[in-house]
Amino acid sequence: NAGVTQTPKFQVLKTGQSMTLQCAQDMNHEYMSWYRQDPGMGLRLIHYSVGAGITDQGEVPNGYNVSRSTTEDFPLRLLSAAPSQTSVYFCASRKAGDFYEQYFGPGTRLTVT
Amino acid sequence: AQTVTQSQPEMSVQEAETVTLSCTYDTSESDYYLFWYKQPPSRQMILVIRQEAYKQQNATENRFSVNFQKAAKSFSLKISDSQLGDAAMYFCAYRTGYSTLTFGKGTMLLVSP
Repeated sequence: NAGVTQTPKFQVLKTGQSMTLQCAQDMNHEYMSWYRQDPGMGLRLIHYSVGAGITDQGEVPNGYNVSRSTTEDFPLRLLSAAPSQTSVYFCASRKAGDFYEQYFGPGTRLTVT
Repeated sequence: AQTVTQSQPEMSVQEAETVTLSCTYDTSESDYYLFWYKQPPSRQMILVIRQEAYKQQNATENRFSVNFQKAAKSFSLKISDSQLGDAAMYFCAYRTGYSTLTFGKGTMLLVSP
């Protein structure tokens, strides 16, 4: 198993540009989520999904879109990047009914100038 | 909404000594799960220890143990015989059975020889 993979690892965007952060898992996990990590703020939930076709907002959803067309993939879209979206982004997944294990991707460091 | 509070932005310890990281949380649920994650400079999120709220016995994993006080909503992490490799950011996190993780803001642990 590759676990949870994220691409790219690093990205620099200009204000107003759009891009998609990719997240994939090969463990057939139902639950997937996106977090952003900022200094002094911990990890905050952006969006999450409990299965293909089902998504919901987390604590800080503004400026981000998600969709879940397959169990494996959960991309995060920035429609018009802003400097406030400079952050490290983590994707995570777990199996429904597994209350203990949460698998994290390696993170994407995004800088918006 | 559930909140997780880590009141120590930074802690220092010498090798071989013991250190305790504090965490409090706020919830109206009776059944939930608590976690401590370690994040070294590589950014990878590593599960250190977990505790089920219905268990009165405190969890232990080798040199890591917790002091879980359910009535006080407190969940501290004790690291014994500290090692240089323990230096990292530590996050306390909370989850109910079907929710996503809620993280504290983190405590940076510095370990000196």
